[in-house]
Amino acid sequence: DIQMTQSPSSLSASVGDRVTITCRASQGISDYLAWFQQKPGKAPKSLIYAASSLQSGVPSKFSGSGSGTDFTLTISSLQPEDFATYYCQQYNTYPLTFGQGTRLEIK
Amino acid sequence: EVQLVESGGGLVQPGGSLRLSCAASGFTFSSYSMNWVRQAPGKGLEWVSYSSSSSSTIYYADSVKGRFTISRDNAKNSLYLQMNSLRAEDTAVYYCARDNSGWTGYFDLWGRGTLVTVSS
Repeated sequence: DIQMTQSPSSLSASVGDRVTITCRASQGISDYLAWFQQKPGKAPKSLIYAASSLQSGVPSKFSGSGSGTDFTLTISSLQPEDFATYYCQQYNTYPLTFGQGTRLEIK
Repeated sequence: EVQLVESGGGLVQPGGSLRLSCAASGFTFSSYSMNWVRQAPGKGLEWVSYSSSSSSTIYYADSVKGRFTISRDNAKNSLYLQMNSLRAEDTAVYYCARDNSGWTGYFDLWGRGTLVTVSS
C-alpha cells in the first residue's frame, strides 16, 4: 500500500497568515493527489485534485503543487473559516490512502 | 440539488450485521463510480470500498475484505454497504463519496455520513 505522510500534524497560525502543508507519498504517484478540508462534525470537502487543480467553487486562496512523491497545499490570507483539518489522498493505486491529517488552529 | 444522503447506521453488537444505504440525487447516478469512506471517532479518513458505475469492478480495503459487500441499484439511484461480522474497530462515521467523472479515485462529492457503533 502507498503510505501518505503529512507534515506538520498540527499548525498554529493567525488570521491573515499564509501557511503550507506538506504531503509525501511512499512511492511515486504522478499527480494523482487530492486535498480535502474537514471541519468538526462535518463531511470532508474537496479542495484540489490532480495535485494542483482547484475543485469548482473553491476560492483561489487554496493552491496545490507537486508531482511524484512530494506535494504541498498552500492557503493564503487565512480567515476564521479556514481553520480546520486538512487531508491529502492518493488515487494512483488501490487501496486509496489518506494522510493522517494536519490540524490548522488559530494562534 | 446534487447530494448524497446516507442512512442505516446505528448500534450493533460485535459479530452482528448492518446495511448502509446512500441515496443519490441531482445527477445521473448510473454514470458515476462510487465509494464508501469511513472515519473512526477522532481519527483520520479510511477508504473502504469502490464500485464502478456498472458494478463490473469492485475493490475493498483489506480491513473489510470478506466481511463487507458493496452494491448498487442504478434504477433506485442508491449505493449500499452490507457489513457482516462487525468488530469494535468498525465503529466509525461512514461516508458515501462520488468519484469524479474524469479522475477515478478522486472524490468530488461527499454525503454527510452515518454513524455505526459496534459495541456490546
